[in-house]
Amino acid sequence: AQTVTQSQPEMSVQEAETVTLSCTYDTSESDYYLFWYKQPPSRQMILVIRQEAYKQQNATENRFSVNFQKAAKSFSLKISDSQLGDAAMYFCAYNRETSGSRLTFGEGTQLTVNP
Amino acid sequence: DVKVTQSSRYLVKRTGEKVFLECVQDMDHENMFWYRQDPGLGLRLIYFSYDVKMKEKGDIPEGYSVSREKKERFSLILESASTNQTSMYLCASSRGDSRNTIYFGEGSWLTVV
Repeated sequence: AQTVTQSQPEMSVQEAETVTLSCTYDTSESDYYLFWYKQPPSRQMILVIRQEAYKQQNATENRFSVNFQKAAKSFSLKISDSQLGDAAMYFCAYNRETSGSRLTFGEGTQLTVNP
Repeated sequence: DVKVTQSSRYLVKRTGEKVFLECVQDMDHENMFWYRQDPGLGLRLIYFSYDVKMKEKGDIPEGYSVSREKKERFSLILESASTNQTSMYLCASSRGDSRNTIYFGEGSWLTVV
């Protein structure tokens, strides 16, 4: 079975600084998708970024980028120029090619942004 | 924008009650999901459905059942609520295959007393 691990229950960053959230996963599949979701205090889960395993290039969305290391099964999220609105719970998630959107989530990392 | 609507944000039920959590999506998505969120455990899949009247067990189906009579609606049923089912429940939907984004509702906080 696939597992996703986020080893940092809590992280904090100063406004305008950069922070990296870690995620590792375990799978025997070669084709899969990885996601980072953000859950602010309102509880609405929002997709931050997505990475296809067959793509070597790391995904980027504005201030958010990933470091995808397929061999190491690592998928970290970097947030640059952190803003107060980035404060949220962040979940890493895995979806294999054949599972039809059935995501497996990590435990979550609570990010605090200090002014 | 995709809209996934969960009918109840906050519920308090008594042990042994039958509980219905309703979810509706407005984008004609094939897939619908029910997750449970608990601190330190992330989101765990209870049940999912790929089509009307079709359902499959997720990772923690015990104590739950589901119903999908119409494509846009997916209901989670707790036949006899217990205190260990106190949790946040999240409904989600997506188009057919794995590459597609999953969209979530705002969640339903259920407290069983």
